[in-house]
Amino acid sequence: NAGVTQTPKFRVLKTGQSMTLLCAQDMNHEYMYWYRQDPGMGLRLIHYSVGEGTTAKGEVPDGYNVSRLKKQNFLLGLESAAPSQTSVYFCASTPWGQYYEQYFGPGTRLTVT
Amino acid sequence: AQKVTQAQTEISVVEKEDVTLDCVYETRDTTYYLFWYKQPPSGELVFLIRRNSFDEQNEISGRYSWNFQKSTSSFNFTITASQVVDSAVYFCALSEAMDSSYKLIFGSGTRLLVRP
Repeated sequence: NAGVTQTPKFRVLKTGQSMTLLCAQDMNHEYMYWYRQDPGMGLRLIHYSVGEGTTAKGEVPDGYNVSRLKKQNFLLGLESAAPSQTSVYFCASTPWGQYYEQYFGPGTRLTVT
Repeated sequence: AQKVTQAQTEISVVEKEDVTLDCVYETRDTTYYLFWYKQPPSGELVFLIRRNSFDEQNEISGRYSWNFQKSTSSFNFTITASQVVDSAVYFCALSEAMDSSYKLIFGSGTRLLVRP
């Protein structure tokens, strides 16, 4: 059981480049989330999904898009990276039901120059 | 608005000291959950505890204990006899219901440094 995995672990982008972060979970969880963590701040929700084929905006969605074509995968896309998107990105998942803990991936450190 | 405040940005203690990390929250929900996560220097987030709003009993797990007081909207975390391995950033988080799911509202974290 790998839990929640994220690919890649590190990435450096130039302003304007695009990339996709992949999150995969093998726990058959319904709900998946993308958060970002900036220095001195807690995590903030970017987008989330309550099931295959569904996505919704979180607290800080601008500049990001997501897709959930398969239940186990949740992709986060940056179409035109900006330095303000330099951050550590965490994916999380949780099973259907009320307020179980969220299981987090190891994070992706992204630097945009 | 939902909010979590961790007023202590950084705490430094000497090994074997007891330390308490404060967490104060604001919510309009009548049913909610509170969480603590640990983020060691390696960067991953480690789940420590989940507590629902109807259960105000204190909880103890080894050297860790949690004090939930609804009257003061606080959910404080105490480490007894701290160890160097406890050095990490600790986040308190509050659930906020949305659609059929929930999101976590995180505090800004408290960095704990335990010195040998």
